[in-house]
Amino acid sequence: DAKTTQPPSMDCAEGRAANLPCNHSTISGNEYVYWYRQIHSQGPQYIIHGLKNNETNEMASLIITEDRKSSTLILPHATLRDTAVYYCIVRGPPTSGTYKYIFGTGTRLKVLA
Amino acid sequence: DVKVTQSSRYLVKRTGEKVFLECVQDMDHENMFWYRQDPGLGLRLIYFSYDVKMKEKGDIPEGYSVSREKKERFSLILESASTNQTSMYLCASSLAGRGYYGYTFGSGTRLTVV
Repeated sequence: DAKTTQPPSMDCAEGRAANLPCNHSTISGNEYVYWYRQIHSQGPQYIIHGLKNNETNEMASLIITEDRKSSTLILPHATLRDTAVYYCIVRGPPTSGTYKYIFGTGTRLKVLA
Repeated sequence: DVKVTQSSRYLVKRTGEKVFLECVQDMDHENMFWYRQDPGLGLRLIYFSYDVKMKEKGDIPEGYSVSREKKERFSLILESASTNQTSMYLCASSLAGRGYYGYTFGSGTRLTVV
């Protein structure tokens, strides 16, 4: 199963871009990369996903390297409410037709005022 | 607003008790999952279900069982609670299929076994 590696923690100044890196060097060609975040005392929340191309939505941008061995989640203008644990996830192989997420320990992002 | 609802936010149980954690989703999702979350270990999959009455073991099923009698409800059972099962338990659901289908998580149940 593909695994991900993320730095345990990062700080970012409010209003600046937060760039969260993720290594997934064993990812296979058809596996998506997903990002979720978990704000304290809540369940994880979907942010964005991608396969090969860069993706952008109202929450964030996802940059995936050409070799797909790493990616970066970008929060363009971080706010205090973005303080959370961010998980970079690849989907494991299906079991009984069901895909499971393999969570790591994530990056604890702290946005500083 | 679609959601996954976990019956209890906080639970305190005694060692040896049988504990039921309930999860209900209103999105008609085929897949449902139970994770536990511990400091430094992230989220670990306990069990999942891809259909009514169907279940599969996740990465850490020991000491747990599950029940899915109806599509919308997935129960996690601790047959004889132990202190090392003190944890945050998260339920999630998703649509089935080969495409991308995100997970919707509940808010979690923080279980303390004393």
